[in-house]
Amino acid sequence: KAGVTQTPRYLIKTRGQQVTLSCSPISGHRSVSWYQQTPGQGLQFLFEYFSETQRNKGNFPGRFSGRQFSNSRSEMNVSTLELGDSALYLCASTRDTNTGELFFGEGSRLTVL
Amino acid sequence: AQSVAQPEDQVNVAEGNPLTVKCTYSVSGNPYLFWYVQYPNRGLQFLLKYITGDNLVKGSYGFEAEFNKSQTSFHLKKPSALVSDSALYFCAVRLNSGGYQKVTFGTGTKLQVIP
Repeated sequence: KAGVTQTPRYLIKTRGQQVTLSCSPISGHRSVSWYQQTPGQGLQFLFEYFSETQRNKGNFPGRFSGRQFSNSRSEMNVSTLELGDSALYLCASTRDTNTGELFFGEGSRLTVL
Repeated sequence: AQSVAQPEDQVNVAEGNPLTVKCTYSVSGNPYLFWYVQYPNRGLQFLLKYITGDNLVKGSYGFEAEFNKSQTSFHLKKPSALVSDSALYFCAVRLNSGGYQKVTFGTGTKLQVIP
């Protein structure tokens, strides 16, 4: 059974650009969550999607957005990149949104220059 | 406020010795608690969870955790540490947010097992 797949794994952008990250969840998992991980802030929740609907959103500016498609694949977009957006972006999926554990991808490491 | 805390940024333990990584929580209702491990440049991997039932939960790689309701703690333990256990460990709790369950992570504890 394939795990959670995130692309690209690494990318470098410059300030002001925008970026789109992709996440394919485990087959059958309808919930996809995104987290930003930085050394100083730890794991910060960005948003969660279930059946193409955003159900939860963390405390991030509107430059951070996401969506989920009918096949449960999800994308997140960051516009007008800032240096502080450099981070590891992790995607996680789960089958059971009440008690189930999260299954994480390897992450997309974004560097903003 | 509902939260989960890991009071130690780093824990050092000698190989072969028992290890404990601490986690405390502050939630209303019954908490759903989890432990995850992260190796360098990798995503998080699930270790174990407490939902209900036996307070001692056994998980992957010989790890276990004890749910203590009176002390609101969920410490991760292993009887004999291995060098390969060196990694970043996260405690997490599922919280009710606007009618839906949201997972919140602690700040992480770096475990260093010394040969």
